[in-house]
Amino acid sequence: RKEVEQDPGPFNVPEGATVAFNCTYSNSASQSFFWYRQDCRKEPKLLMSVYSSGNEDGRFTAQLNRASQYISLLIRDSKLSDSATYLCVVKGESGYSTLTFGKGTMLLVSP
Amino acid sequence: NAGVTQTPKFQVLKTGQSMTLQCAQDMNHEYMSWYRQDPGMGLRLIHYSVGAGITDQGEVPNGYNVSRSTTEDFPLRLLSAAPSQTSVYFCASSYLGNRDSGNTIYFGEGSWLTVV
Repeated sequence: RKEVEQDPGPFNVPEGATVAFNCTYSNSASQSFFWYRQDCRKEPKLLMSVYSSGNEDGRFTAQLNRASQYISLLIRDSKLSDSATYLCVVKGESGYSTLTFGKGTMLLVSP
Repeated sequence: NAGVTQTPKFQVLKTGQSMTLQCAQDMNHEYMSWYRQDPGMGLRLIHYSVGAGITDQGEVPNGYNVSRSTTEDFPLRLLSAAPSQTSVYFCASSYLGNRDSGNTIYFGEGSWLTVV
């Protein structure tokens, strides 16, 4: 089983739609979880950290389910500017060498 | 407000040539790292450093060398370029420890390398 798995997509949605991505991870000792956004031919940038209690940042909501070892990202009221690849990132129990990136889920928002 | 700066942005090499990708950060981050990103493979860690004078191998270190003589700089050297090293390379940095900002990794803009 791969360490961090994501559906590569693409997810094609119209503006205003709600879309959700899931990510599963294999290391039950993982400590920290993040969503990064990567635009085409650009560097990844932190979108949000994911906390056990769930957290929200504007139109974005992240959830963590430790028992099932998955995290999710919900985007409400999609904008054209949300079109990007969303990377699931998991940090292991020690050190930054254990950051593991998923391959990303591509989102395309159309008018 | 430079953040993480990588040079060059684009480079074409011939097989067997050597070169150095430069990376510098001005945020006084202890941790620096190099990733490569290939289609369908995601980001893979090449080498990393947790401070000046300290480096270690990541997932795919073969064919690459690094050094960390200062906190700010972390160059990546390709010893003898091969077509398999054609990729996009990202340098990244962050704080160590449990600070709130310690979980954020900042990436450079990337270096597109083609080996022919």
